[in-house]
Amino acid sequence: GAVVSQHPSRVICKSGTSVKIECRSLDFQATTMFWYRQFPKKSLMLMATSNEGSKATYEQGVEKDKFLINHASLTLSTLTVTSAHPEDSSFYICSAKHRILFEAFFGQGTRLTVV
Amino acid sequence: AQSVTQLGSHVSVSEGALVLLRCNYSSSVPPYLFWYVQYPNQGLQLLLKYTSAATLVKGINGFEAEFKKSETSFHLTKPSAHMSDAAEYFCAVSSMNSGGYQKVTFGIGTKLQVIP
Repeated sequence: GAVVSQHPSRVICKSGTSVKIECRSLDFQATTMFWYRQFPKKSLMLMATSNEGSKATYEQGVEKDKFLINHASLTLSTLTVTSAHPEDSSFYICSAKHRILFEAFFGQGTRLTVV
Repeated sequence: AQSVTQLGSHVSVSEGALVLLRCNYSSSVPPYLFWYVQYPNQGLQLLLKYTSAATLVKGINGFEAEFKKSETSFHLTKPSAHMSDAAEYFCAVSSMNSGGYQKVTFGIGTKLQVIP
């Protein structure tokens, strides 16, 4: 149990286009989901926290209009990278907080390459 | 505020040797502490967690960690390294932030190399 599915696992897009990444909790309800970005040789950087039915809370320095987060249901959150540029290329990971267990479960990550 | 410091971005051990990955934390409230493992191009997998119960925590794959409040440490150990343990390990601390949400802060990660 407690599986988080992230899709796609890899995506290559052209500069200027938008990419949507989905994060689903398959067998539990997640009132809170987190989106992280992982830079090479660096730790995971929390981008934003999303709560079902409300606006996401973005960390300092993260552009809200560039990284659109929607948490429409208790099992789905999406991250849309708008007008992607090569510097947006990175590994993006979501995690979903289990409603009962004090633990956040992670998706497999999405490798985004903008060409 | 909370933070995590992992000493040593790269650690090499021989197969069969003791694994020791260091983690120190700071937190203004009683922390919850985690160790995660990440294999190349994959997400994070929870190894073990401390949530204010027993200070010695046993996890998967033979790993364990001890919470030492006086030293603000949560080092990860394994008695005998296996080749399959080669991966990157992240220590993390969690607490509630001002908005009431659980916020997880990660260390920079330690890449473990196991030498045959």
